[in-house]
Amino acid sequence: DTEVTQTPKHLVMGMTNKKSLKCEQHMGHRAMYWYKQKAKKPPELMFVYSYEKLSINESVPSRFSPECPNSSLLNLHLHALQPEDSALYLCASRPVGEGQVMGYTFGSGTRLTVV
Amino acid sequence: KQEVTQIPAALSVPEGENLVLNCSFTDSAIYNLQWFRQDPGKGLTSLLLIQSSQREQTSGRLNASLDKSSGRSTLYIAASQPGDSATYLCAVRADSWGKLQFGAGTQVVVTP
Repeated sequence: DTEVTQTPKHLVMGMTNKKSLKCEQHMGHRAMYWYKQKAKKPPELMFVYSYEKLSINESVPSRFSPECPNSSLLNLHLHALQPEDSALYLCASRPVGEGQVMGYTFGSGTRLTVV
Repeated sequence: KQEVTQIPAALSVPEGENLVLNCSFTDSAIYNLQWFRQDPGKGLTSLLLIQSSQREQTSGRLNASLDKSSGRSTLYIAASQPGDSATYLCAVRADSWGKLQFGAGTQVVVTP
């Protein structure tokens, strides 16, 4: 398995809803990432997990709450979002240690619309 | 702060022509540089990864070069096809956490 799988592919939520995005990989990658991409813009880093521990939070608002329950799974919990949070949310993973030459693998993303 | 620039922002070529996409970065202290392809509304597909110690990488019709001292990378796509139409992003890894700094991308259209 050489893929990063993200679910759902599309999500529409109201500003008072709570929802979660899911990301899964079975490549043994121990670094996992959440990126946010607005239309016509490059991806911007939100969070970095290394060995299931949060390593970097790029000053992301608390209405976004990441979670890494195990080495294969990464979640992004959403609560009280704003319309400007509508974007494509990308998950990525990367091997650490001996496999560093492999670079990133990205998922296909979740298209989030906040109404 | 690392800044990554891609030129041109958009490119349209007839089928069969070779594509040349440019990427420049301001800080030569990088771990590696990765080229990605993105189709509209989709995720990123990795094309080539060049380590900081390497000069180039090749995969099929794709060739990417890296000149770290001048802060430049070039992606060549030979004999372009309509299926090559997409946005191409270069990204530089500049820290131990693996954070990627992306360029704004080059939108490519290959016309039949």
